[in-house]
Amino acid sequence: QKEVEQNSGPLSVPEGAIASLNCTYSDRGSQSFFWYRQYSGKSPELIMSIYSNGDKEDGRFTAQLNKASQYVSLLIRDSQPSDSATYLCAVAGGTSYGKLTFGQGTILTVHP
Amino acid sequence: NAGVTQTPKFQVLKTGQSMTLQCAQDMNHNSMYWYRQDPGMGLRLIYYSASEGTTDKGEVPNGYNVSRLNKREFSLRLESAAPSQTSVYFCASSPGLGLTGELFFGEGSRLTVL
Repeated sequence: QKEVEQNSGPLSVPEGAIASLNCTYSDRGSQSFFWYRQYSGKSPELIMSIYSNGDKEDGRFTAQLNKASQYVSLLIRDSQPSDSATYLCAVAGGTSYGKLTFGQGTILTVHP
Repeated sequence: NAGVTQTPKFQVLKTGQSMTLQCAQDMNHNSMYWYRQDPGMGLRLIYYSASEGTTDKGEVPNGYNVSRLNKREFSLRLESAAPSQTSVYFCASSPGLGLTGELFFGEGSRLTVL
């Protein structure tokens, strides 16, 4: 089992819809959770971080964390074509202290 | 403000050749990292340096060596390149001692080993 798993997609949603991206992790001691966005041919950039159970909202983005289920998600409301990218889930803490472990990423396509 | 700068951006090597990827950050960050990214594999940590003077192995260190030259610079060396090392390499830095999760990435170095 991979430490951090994501559905590789591609996930295709129409413009204006809600895109839901999911991630599961295996290390129950993990403490910090992140979502990075990576445009094609570019480097990843941090868009959200979450540390405690529940929801965290930032503009059109909402991160959700459920430590009991070892599950973290990212919701993108009012999706725009400019949101088309690969979204990488990353987890830190637990037995991987000092390192950030990434999932393989989910490709999101928002079509007009 | 350049952030994290990697050189070279592109490189083609023959099997058995050696090379060094250079990385420098101007944000006064403590920690620096080298990742490789392959299709369908996400980002995999090669080596990291939690602070100046320390380096540690990551998930895929075989075939690589690193040097934390000073607080700004962290280089990655391939002593004898192999086709399996064809990849995109990203250097990253973070402000904390050890990992905070907020990584700032360089633009990447695309390496092809023939």
